[in-house]
Amino acid sequence: AQSVAQPEDQVNVAEGNPLTVKCTYSVSGNPYLFWYVQYPNRGLQFLLKYITGDNLVKGSYGFEAEFNKSQTSFHLKKPSALVSDSALYFCAVRVLKTSYDKVIFGPGTSLSVIP
Amino acid sequence: ETGVTQTPRHLVMGMTNKKSLKCEQHLGHNAMYWYKQSAKKPLELMFVYSLEERVENNSVPSRFSPECPNSSHLFLHLHTLQPEDSALYLCASSQDTSGNYEQYFGPGTRLTVT
Repeated sequence: AQSVAQPEDQVNVAEGNPLTVKCTYSVSGNPYLFWYVQYPNRGLQFLLKYITGDNLVKGSYGFEAEFNKSQTSFHLKKPSALVSDSALYFCAVRVLKTSYDKVIFGPGTSLSVIP
Repeated sequence: ETGVTQTPRHLVMGMTNKKSLKCEQHLGHNAMYWYKQSAKKPLELMFVYSLEERVENNSVPSRFSPECPNSSHLFLHLHTLQPEDSALYLCASSQDTSGNYEQYFGPGTRLTVT
């Protein structure tokens, strides 16, 4: 079955330290992968995507993600975490269907950056 | 802001009421979506519209009725809801339904069913 997983419900990191939010996927065909962030009482906001090309993708607010085909992973990273990065992070992947190509979201990872 | 607006932001309704949620996108997109976000649950896709045609109805109960009069507007009509329908309802749009393009989300409507 095609799916996307975020193995950690919660990630805590100290301000100024590097952060990683993990995502793994299982899809047919070439994966199209996305990261979104959700701040409290807001909708999801697009951060970055991988369609093709360089395995390291740079996005908004200093975030980047590394596509690893052999490990079927697309981990989100940032070299130096800010308290304002505290939010809910969602990984998403395109799933091929007959009528249209659906995007499915992972369960989300709550990131807390501790001052 | 993302270019997608939703009204109302908060709604409290009884189980016998009828209400509607409204979504409008100002991005010129051709695809629009309704999602349900409940606490401790993954984001649930409810409906997908492509150029005003519904392409996905993800086993949603008939007490939820979507309407897409044009590519900029999307409604979710609600009637005889249950308390378990209390959630954040998110609208989103994208350039098309190909999955190649990111989705832009509205701020959501926080629905409470009493």
